[in-house]
Amino acid sequence: EDQVTQSPEALRLQEGESSSLNCSYTVSGLRGLFWYRQDPGKGPEFLFTLYSAGEEKEKERLKATLTKKESFLHITAPKPEDSATYLCAVRDNYGQNFVFGPGTRLSVLP
Amino acid sequence: GAVVSQHPSRVICKSGTSVKIECRSLDFQATTMFWYRQFPKQSLMLMATSNEGSKATYEQGVEKDKFLINHASLTLSTLTVTSAHPEDSSFYICSAPLLDRALYFGPGTRLTVT
Repeated sequence: EDQVTQSPEALRLQEGESSSLNCSYTVSGLRGLFWYRQDPGKGPEFLFTLYSAGEEKEKERLKATLTKKESFLHITAPKPEDSATYLCAVRDNYGQNFVFGPGTRLSVLP
Repeated sequence: GAVVSQHPSRVICKSGTSVKIECRSLDFQATTMFWYRQFPKQSLMLMATSNEGSKATYEQGVEKDKFLINHASLTLSTLTVTSAHPEDSSFYICSAPLLDRALYFGPGTRLTVT
C-alpha cells in the first residue's frame, strides 16, 4: 500500500529564514510525486510534479527535489505570503489514485 | 495551468434536505474526477472516484446512497449529499487529473447543515 508522510507537521520561520520540508514515501513503482500549496478555505494549488530520482524543479522561492525515498521542498528566503499548508502526494504505476500526505503548515513571520 | 471550477462555493441547508455540488474541468476533458472531504486542519480524505459513463468507486466507509456521484460528461461531475445532517458539514473539494502532469483541484465548497 502506498504511503506518504510529511515532516515537520508545522514550521514557523522568520522572513528570510530558509528551510526545507520533507515528504517521505513508499510506493510500488512511482508514476509521479506532486507538491501542492493550500491556503485556508481554498482548494490545493498545484506546484510541481517530479517523475524520477534526481529530478529538480524550481518556481520563485521554491525548489523541489526527489530521491527514491523522499522529496524535499526547499524554501529560500521565505516571505509572509508563503505561509500555507504544503501537501505532498504520490501516484503509482498501477492505480489511478493519488495518495496524499498530512501536510506541513508553514508560517512565515514578518 | 488547467482550471477546475466548483459550484457553489458555499451552501447552507437545513437538515434532511439534499445539496448538489458541481465540478467542471474548464479547459480539458476528464474521464476521471476525484471527490475529497476535508475537516479543519486535516488533510484531504478521498471519498470517491467519479468515472465518466460508469459507476463511481467509493472509498471504504463512504455511504454511496448518501453521497451520490454522477459523471455525466467528460467535463462535469456532480456530488449530491442526500438527506444532509449536521455531521455532513465540511469542506468538499473535487479534482481532475490532466494526463500524468498533475491533479488539479477546484476551489472547494463549504457545506453547512443546520
